[in-house]
Amino acid sequence: QVQLVQSGSELKKPGASVKVSCKGSGYTFISYVMNWVRQAPGQGLEWMGCINPYTGNPTYAQGFTGRFVFSLDTSVSTAYLHISSLEAEDTAVYYCARQFCSGTTCYEHAFDIWGQGTVVAVSS
Amino acid sequence: QSALTQPPSASGSPGQSVTISCTGTSSDVGGYNYVSWYQQHPGKAPKLMIYEVSKRPSGVPDRFSGSKSGNTASLTVSGLQAEDEADYYCNSYTGSDNVVFGGGTKLTVL
Repeated sequence: QVQLVQSGSELKKPGASVKVSCKGSGYTFISYVMNWVRQAPGQGLEWMGCINPYTGNPTYAQGFTGRFVFSLDTSVSTAYLHISSLEAEDTAVYYCARQFCSGTTCYEHAFDIWGQGTVVAVSS
Repeated sequence: QSALTQPPSASGSPGQSVTISCTGTSSDVGGYNYVSWYQQHPGKAPKLMIYEVSKRPSGVPDRFSGSKSGNTASLTVSGLQAEDEADYYCNSYTGSDNVVFGGGTKLTVL
């Protein structure tokens, strides 16, 4: 079945970096834009940006430039989120989410398949 | 880009209908027919319920419906059931490949 499987929870110290992986299966990986969404503890969803697996072109939302980098390894159908210089405020669940397509139409605002989420905790 | 505005909470009794609003601006909700809604149960990943303002993906019950007027989109849940109790989030396309979410609404089934 179509699914996204993310890497496990991470506990990091401030200033460190982390790389979260998101492996797609059951579909043609390069055909669907991959999004990243953050959810801080007890808070709402925040769109971080997306990356087009076909072109490799990333788009970053305001507030997620500089320390946040999206990358891909299409040979293993995997997207990555790299966060550097971690701060306590980066503590959150990070989700990858696939763009929804119906027939030949894809919708940039709609995400139909989500990973299970990766908890990143930043604490000294 | 500011988050879309949703009421923090909503409630209804089983069988009733409840509507959740999502207010943006002419640069997002009002400017595009690209609003979607997500249901999130505690500890779970969100689930797509509505896309393109009013369309339901396969498998979503027709008790869930969406609409839009001006800068405000709405999600209506009819025939409330206990399993509808969850957090609901809207989002909207904002142009230039960008998306913004609402702050979320906690729906309680009384």
